[in-house]
Amino acid sequence: EVQLVESGGGLVQPGGSLRLSCVASGFTVSSNYMTWVRQAPGKGLEWVSLIYSGGTTYYADSVKGRFTISRHDSENTLYFQMNSLRADDTAVYYCATSLTESGWVRPDCWGQGTLVTVSS
Amino acid sequence: DIQMTQSPSSVSASVGDRVTITCRASQGISTWVAWYQQKPGTAPKLLIYAASSLERGVPSRFSGSGSGTDFTLTISSLQPEDFATYYCQQGNSFPITFGQGTRLEVK
Repeated sequence: EVQLVESGGGLVQPGGSLRLSCVASGFTVSSNYMTWVRQAPGKGLEWVSLIYSGGTTYYADSVKGRFTISRHDSENTLYFQMNSLRADDTAVYYCATSLTESGWVRPDCWGQGTLVTVSS
Repeated sequence: DIQMTQSPSSVSASVGDRVTITCRASQGISTWVAWYQQKPGTAPKLLIYAASSLERGVPSRFSGSGSGTDFTLTISSLQPEDFATYYCQQGNSFPITFGQGTRLEVK
């Protein structure tokens, strides 16, 4: 069964760090792009980062320089290192990919999400 | 950045109604548009890609159209399970951007 399972969310103080994990099963994370999308409480969807199979990465301006996307191919896991966290980073973070399209970004496979709360 | 402006922000409808949601891009994006459905507490679900291609397993009452800057999602005959929030998304260029969402509510 194809599945993405996120973990690593939680409560963190402003300025702190968290590392999110997204474990894939049923396919390999290195075979296609992997992306993070977040959703603040009661708000819409916001794309934050993407890594292509070749390793090229992209970031939203709101997280550039603070967050780093990476993957560990032997663990079949996507990571998201989040540093210098701010209150407006509070959101559910989803990892997602496409199982059928390697070109343009339109994910058809999503994890269940992990909640990150930044608060003192 | 390409802005995606959805309208309306919310709509009330009844089972059996035809509903249309529109999305306007701030610049031409060919057909690089996808539509998602999201229900509370769950991840988004891809409905339409490339503006008008129906994702496998999605009921045929959902359809999409448009190119360039103007796009529409149409639900031909609303079913009870269709009450949710809908988002458009452009995949033409980074940063990827979503519309602000349209909440479809029971009238």
